[in-house]
Amino acid sequence: KAGVTQTPRYLIKTRGQQVTLSCSPISGHRSVSWYQQTPGQGLQFLFEYFSETQRNKGNFPGRFSGRQFSNSRSEMNVSTLELGDSALYLCASSFSASPSSYNEQFFGPGTRLTVL
Amino acid sequence: KNEVEQSPQNLTAQEGEFITINCSYSVGISALHWLQQHPGGGIVSLFMLSSGKKKHGRLIATINIQEKHSSLHITASHPRDSAVYICAGLTSGSRLTFGEGTQLTVNP
Repeated sequence: KAGVTQTPRYLIKTRGQQVTLSCSPISGHRSVSWYQQTPGQGLQFLFEYFSETQRNKGNFPGRFSGRQFSNSRSEMNVSTLELGDSALYLCASSFSASPSSYNEQFFGPGTRLTVL
Repeated sequence: KNEVEQSPQNLTAQEGEFITINCSYSVGISALHWLQQHPGGGIVSLFMLSSGKKKHGRLIATINIQEKHSSLHITASHPRDSAVYICAGLTSGSRLTFGEGTQLTVNP
C-alpha cells in the first residue's frame, strides 16, 4: 500500500504570494491532518479534515486554510505569505471509521516552503 | 510551561546502551504518540498508546495515565537509532500537541 504523498517537496516563494500544497492520504484513510514545523516553534497542528469536513483547527491566522476532496486528497493554502511561514509542512492520514474515532497517524515526507 | 514536555532535550549514548526518553503532559489526552524523525524531515509513528505498555522489537513505550507520564525505552541501542524522538498527545479529539523533541545520538 502506498504511503502518504505530498507535492511539491520543495517550494520557494516571495512575500505576499500565495501557495497551495497537496496531500494524498493512504488509500482508505478518510482523515487528513496538517502540521507546521519550524525551528523556533517545533511541530504545531494546523487543521484536520474528515470526509471533506474540517473536524479540528489549530491556532493559526485565517491566511491558512485547507480543504478535502471526495477522494480524501487534501490541499492547504497560505495566502499573503510572510517570512515566518517558512517551514516544513507535514500532512498525516489516519483511518477513522467514524467522525468520533481517532487512530494512529501516518506522516508524509513534507513540503519544505521557503519564503524570501 | 508547555502542555507536553520531554526530557532530556539531547541524549548521547554508546552503542548497546539502554535509553529512556521521558514525556510529561499537563492536559487531558485520549492517547499519546511516540514519533521518530530522521534528518530530512520524514516522521515515522512508533507507537500510539492510551494505557499500559507496547513493544515493537527493541522499542518499548509505557504510559501512566494517573501520573500523566510516558516513557520510550530503546534496548541495545544502535547508531541507526540516532534521530529526534517526539511525543505528542491527542487532545481535543483529533489534535496532536507535540513535545519539543529529544535529539538522540548513538555512537558506535
